[in-house]
Amino acid sequence: EVVLTQSPGTLSLSPGERATLSCRASQSVSSNYLAWYQQKPGQAPRVLIHGASSRATGIPDRFSGSGSGTDFTLTISRLEPEDFAVYYCQQYGSSPLTFGGGTKVDIK
Amino acid sequence: QVQLQESGPGLVKPSETLSLTCTVSGGSVSSGTYYWSWIRQPPGKGLEWIGYIYYNGNTNYNPSLKSRVTLSIDTSKNQFSVKLTSVTAADTAVYYCARGVSVWLTPHDPFDIWGQGTMVTVSS
Repeated sequence: EVVLTQSPGTLSLSPGERATLSCRASQSVSSNYLAWYQQKPGQAPRVLIHGASSRATGIPDRFSGSGSGTDFTLTISRLEPEDFAVYYCQQYGSSPLTFGGGTKVDIK
Repeated sequence: QVQLQESGPGLVKPSETLSLTCTVSGGSVSSGTYYWSWIRQPPGKGLEWIGYIYYNGNTNYNPSLKSRVTLSIDTSKNQFSVKLTSVTAADTAVYYCARGVSVWLTPHDPFDIWGQGTMVTVSS
């Protein structure tokens, strides 16, 4: 099983600042099938990034994903008020599909 | 556009079976392009994948739940379902159904469409 470890657990930033979120895998993610989701309270997750670096349909370009193998990063170039939420990484390259524990981005 | 909607009891007694259904509208579960999945989230915690099913009934389960979980698909009703047996308080969670893109019956893309989720509480 691929265990995903996200850091930090909480990121306190101000609007306009840059956010850098990390997701580290216990073994190489097959085909770099790594996704990032955003979840707001009371809502289902929304996919932001797939294939480690491809933005999903309709996702603003301030969101970008990078990395390969075992180390992946989600970057939000300039935080907008609506970006304060919890972010999860997920690998879908091997079974069982697994999620990271999440990073909460809150307002400083 | 494609929408998913979970339905089922919000309260289940310990040791009983949790049963939920996901109804798909605007699309077809018979499409070979997708895999149909269940994911759950205990209150205040992270996401856990339960399993997925293809149009032909092929399934893949999380080993941590495999002994208790069964997924099924009903193409005539455009629905897929999950049954989880012998539930305990640890199974209390929001249960989501979701869709992902597959190629050759293998996940190719992550979950792009999710239901709104349904809260299931296990309590006597």
